[in-house]
Amino acid sequence: GAVVSQHPSWVICKSGTSVKIECRSLDFQATTMFWYRQFPKQSLMLMATSNEGSKATYEQGVEKDKFLINHASLTLSTLTVTSAHPEDSSFYICSARAGNRVDEKLFFGSGTQLSVL
Amino acid sequence: QKEVEQDPGPLSVPEGAIVSLNCTYSNSAFQYFMWYRQYSRKGPELLMYTYSSGNKEDGRFTAQVDKSSKYISLFIRDSQPSDSATYLCAMSAGQAGTALIFGKGTTLSVSS
Repeated sequence: GAVVSQHPSWVICKSGTSVKIECRSLDFQATTMFWYRQFPKQSLMLMATSNEGSKATYEQGVEKDKFLINHASLTLSTLTVTSAHPEDSSFYICSARAGNRVDEKLFFGSGTQLSVL
Repeated sequence: QKEVEQDPGPLSVPEGAIVSLNCTYSNSAFQYFMWYRQYSRKGPELLMYTYSSGNKEDGRFTAQVDKSSKYISLFIRDSQPSDSATYLCAMSAGQAGTALIFGKGTTLSVSS
């Protein structure tokens, strides 16, 4: 099946610093990528939809200036958590659709555990 | 009412048991239904993918969709300890670029 690579798998940072998470589709081109956030024992909550070459669409309540998303190519999207604070500690997961058809399956990266001290 | 409801469990069964996992939803526009398996601190892995109503079987896994009742199920036959994970249902109305709406996930533990 399609492979989505996400790294780093975990990161610890000090409060106030910025952290960048990369999401790559390895064997397909992804026009659209999605970024999710997951708290322990909770479901995946969509943060934003990332479209190649255009601005990301953020879900209600997600600060676009804090969670910067760049989708510079058809195989790479990045999420930057700016000025991270302990409440930003969470598991972040990206996903990508292998194609433009509405019935194309969605594949996930392995996730990034962010811990802000 | 949340769009997708899923009992978080935990669900504990002995090895070899048949497991039934379920989700209900409220949005009648959903057409694409998926089941994902997620191990602790890992990304979800796609298990089953179904369009509209009906059944789909893949090995020990069977997915059922009943759109009239807004109810989907995942059955696992001959459950194994390696099936111990969190199972997430997800669904989409299917417009291009639409993200999935996930259930909260059911934690399954299969004991040997």
